Amino acid sequence: DTEVTQTPKHLVMGMTNKKSLKCEQHMGHRAMYWYKQKAKKPPELMFVYSYEKLSINESVPSRFSPECPNSSLLNLHLHALQPEDSALYLCASSQEGGPLSGYTFGSGTRLTVV
Amino acid sequence: SQQGEEDPQALSIQEGENATMNCSYKTSINNLQWYRQNSGRGLVHLILIRSNEREKHSGRLRVTLDTSKKSSSLLITASRAADTASYFCATDGEYGNKLVFGAGTILRVKS
Repeated sequence: DTEVTQTPKHLVMGMTNKKSLKCEQHMGHRAMYWYKQKAKKPPELMFVYSYEKLSINESVPSRFSPECPNSSLLNLHLHALQPEDSALYLCASSQEGGPLSGYTFGSGTRLTVV
Repeated sequence: SQQGEEDPQALSIQEGENATMNCSYKTSINNLQWYRQNSGRGLVHLILIRSNEREKHSGRLRVTLDTSKKSSSLLITASRAADTASYFCATDGEYGNKLVFGAGTILRVKS
């Protein structure tokens, strides 16, 4: 298995909702990442998990809450989002604890906040 | 701020022609990577070049790296309509602990 699987592919949520994005990989990668990408912009790093511990939080608002239950799973819990949080959310993993090798990206969750 | 800036922002060529995209970055790096993204979906890793390498090939791709100028180029030879996508360079940041993307080049290959 050489894929990163993200679910759901599309999500529409209200500003008072609580939802979660899920990411899964079975490549034995020990680093996992969440990126946010707005239309026609490059991906922007949100969080880095290395060996199941949060190693980087790029000053992301607390309405985004990451969780790494085990080495194969990464979740992003969403609560009280704003319409400007609408974006493509990408999960990625890499073999080592940093970008020393190529990342494998999932196909993303397209989030719309209404 | 983004680590890499890319040039041009958009490129339109005919099938069979070569496409060259350039990337500049600001800090020292351990490696530089290129990714492709189709239609706003997931990114696909194309090639990684380490800071002590000057040129690397993979199929129709050729990447160069000039650390003295803090710049890299991606050449796609004999382009195909299927190469139509956004291309991003990415570097491992000032401390080598995260991947930071440049602004990207939108490539359109006309058949």
